Amino acid sequence: SQTIHQWPATLVQPVGSPLSLECTVEGTSNPNLYWYRQAAGRGLQLLFYSVGIGQISSEVPQNLSASRPQDRQFILSSKKLLLSDSGFYLCAWGRGSGANVLTFGAGSRLTVL
Amino acid sequence: AQSVTQPDIHITVSEGASLELRCNYSYGATPYLFWYVQSPGQGLQLLLKYFSGDTLVQGIKGFEAEFKRSQSSFNLRKPSVHWSDAAEYFCAVGGLAGGGNKLTFGTGTQLKVEL
Repeated sequence: SQTIHQWPATLVQPVGSPLSLECTVEGTSNPNLYWYRQAAGRGLQLLFYSVGIGQISSEVPQNLSASRPQDRQFILSSKKLLLSDSGFYLCAWGRGSGANVLTFGAGSRLTVL
Repeated sequence: AQSVTQPDIHITVSEGASLELRCNYSYGATPYLFWYVQSPGQGLQLLLKYFSGDTLVQGIKGFEAEFKRSQSSFNLRKPSVHWSDAAEYFCAVGGLAGGGNKLTFGTGTQLKVEL
């Protein structure tokens, strides 16, 4: 069966510090991978998605970047965090064909102080 | 562009009462529709999905949803709510994977259950 892991689960960082959130998927190959951000009362905002190694699409301009160095690894990064980067970040995977059903990780709570 | 509207931000129901959460969508082709549930501090869990065929779909935890093309709606229902159903519920619309197709989510409905 497929599983998705995200870490760290909780992170408190000062403004201007770097960020790295990691997501890995097991039990499948060549998945589509997604990073969403959830802010209170604003639902889920798609930040990045990837359909293959090294292929990243950005949905919104922002202070963040994403990378996919391996088939089942998806990393969300920032060189210098802003207060507005605080939120709950969710990684998800979906199959590369057929109906786009997403399976989500448990999320990473980022607080920027 | 595709979009989802969940008009109710908060809903409170008594345990044992029936529940209906509303969802309206906009999509240029035949939609795939989903309901997800999120417990506090957790990821999203798929409750049910509609792809084609019978417009009334059954999901986990006793939930069901009905697709009404004429109303562009996909409302979630449960005949008798349990206290453990308190959570946030998200409706989503999308198409086939591939070509960069993505799911679009509504802003969510927070469900509170009174004992």
